[in-house]
Amino acid sequence: EAGVAQSPRYKIIEKRQSVAFWCNPISGHATLYWYQQILGQGPKLLIQFQNNGVVDDSQLPKDRFSAERLKGVDSTLKIQPAKLEDSAVYLCASSSSGHEETQYFGPGTRLLVL
Amino acid sequence: SQQGEEDPQALSIQEGENATMNCSYKTSINNLQWYRQNSGRGLVHLILIRSNEREKHSGRLRVTLDTSKKSSSLLITASRAADTASYFCATDWGGAQKLVFGQGTRLTINP
Repeated sequence: EAGVAQSPRYKIIEKRQSVAFWCNPISGHATLYWYQQILGQGPKLLIQFQNNGVVDDSQLPKDRFSAERLKGVDSTLKIQPAKLEDSAVYLCASSSSGHEETQYFGPGTRLLVL
Repeated sequence: SQQGEEDPQALSIQEGENATMNCSYKTSINNLQWYRQNSGRGLVHLILIRSNEREKHSGRLRVTLDTSKKSSSLLITASRAADTASYFCATDWGGAQKLVFGQGTRLTINP
């Protein structure tokens, strides 16, 4: 079974530029998550999708971050414009619906904002 | 805000020794999970313990949960170099499929 795929793996941009990350979850997983992990900290949930609907985006900085999961499969997270403090690893995870509580994580995208 | 806090923040032991990491949390939970993260990689699920369980085993891993103290511990027995990683506890939040992670314990196994 293929795992969660993410691209790109690394990205370096200058502040005020825009950037987009892509995630393809495990086949059949209805729930998709985006996390931000700053160096030395645990992952922080940014947004959670159930199929193509948003379940929780309470910690998403909506003035600059946006995410979509149009067909209920893969997802894109965008930052526009980026700030220095956005430098982090962006992790995508998925889980099946219902009583499945285990989340399966992708390798992450490491973002450096200069 | 982060629900769980791991202790210690860093742990360095010799190969073959046991490693114990602790996690404390603040609110009631349905379950608690432990994840491992190797340097530069994604997180890997290790074990889940439900609020009505007190202890759970998986291979060399032993997890305990004390809901009265709002704490959990992860024991890795007979440690190996490959166990070098960061370990995070994560708790559910509000009964939804939302995990809140602690800061993690950085474990180093010395050969």
